[in-house]
Amino acid sequence: QQQVKQSPQSLIVQKGGIPIINCAYENTAFDYFPWYQQFPGKGPALLIAIRPDVSEKKEGRFTISFNKSAKQFSLHIMDSQPGDSATYFCAASRTGSARQLTFGSGTQLTVLP
Amino acid sequence: NAGVTQTPKFQVLKTGQSMTLQCAQDMNHNSMYWYRQDPGMGLRLIYYSASEGTTDKGEVPNGYNVSRLNKREFSLRLESAAPSQTSVYFCASSDVWNTDTQYFGPGTRLTVL
Repeated sequence: QQQVKQSPQSLIVQKGGIPIINCAYENTAFDYFPWYQQFPGKGPALLIAIRPDVSEKKEGRFTISFNKSAKQFSLHIMDSQPGDSATYFCAASRTGSARQLTFGSGTQLTVLP
Repeated sequence: NAGVTQTPKFQVLKTGQSMTLQCAQDMNHNSMYWYRQDPGMGLRLIYYSASEGTTDKGEVPNGYNVSRLNKREFSLRLESAAPSQTSVYFCASSDVWNTDTQYFGPGTRLTVL
C-alpha cells in the first residue's frame, strides 16, 4: 500500500527549463512533507520541506507548492542546471518523537546541457 | 564530523546466510533509522529507534532484527537472508531538537543469491 504517489517516474529537460515533480498523499494525519535529492551512489539528502499551514515555500531555485484540500504537493526547480540531475523523492510523515517517513517512488531527473 | 557511516559498502550473501549491517553516527543524534531502497519503490522504513534503548517496527520489518547498541550505533541483522532482501540499505539519524531532518549514510548494497 503506497501512501505517497509520485510522478513522473523520469523527466528530461533542457538547461534552464522548469521541471515539475508531483506527489499525492492519502493519510490526512501527515503534517510534514520533505523532498530529498539523491545522487548516484550516495544517500538521500534533505532538499526542502513544507508544513501544511503554508501553500508555498521557496529556497533558492527550489519551490514546493502545497494543496491541502487536494492532498497534493509538488517540487519546481527554476532555471534547472545539469548539476540538478539526480533522483528526487517526496516524502510525508506525522508528528512524533521520531519521524517515520513514507517516501514516494522517486523521479529520475536529467537536465541536458 | 563523518556524519553517518555504514559498513560494509557491498556484500554478497547466499540464501540462508546471516549478516549484520553496521551504522554509526557522530552527530549525537537521538533517533536512528534503517531503510531499504528498491527500484521503483522509493525508500521503505524497516525499523527505527527513537532514542537509546528503544526500537520499533517500520513498514517492512519481516526478516530483520535491530539493536541500538548505544547512542551512536544502530545495527541491522538478517538472520537467514533471502533473495527478496537484495536491496540497498540506508541508515539515517535525526536530532531530538530537529526530528524533521534525517541525515542518511552512503548505503550498503546487498545481493542475496
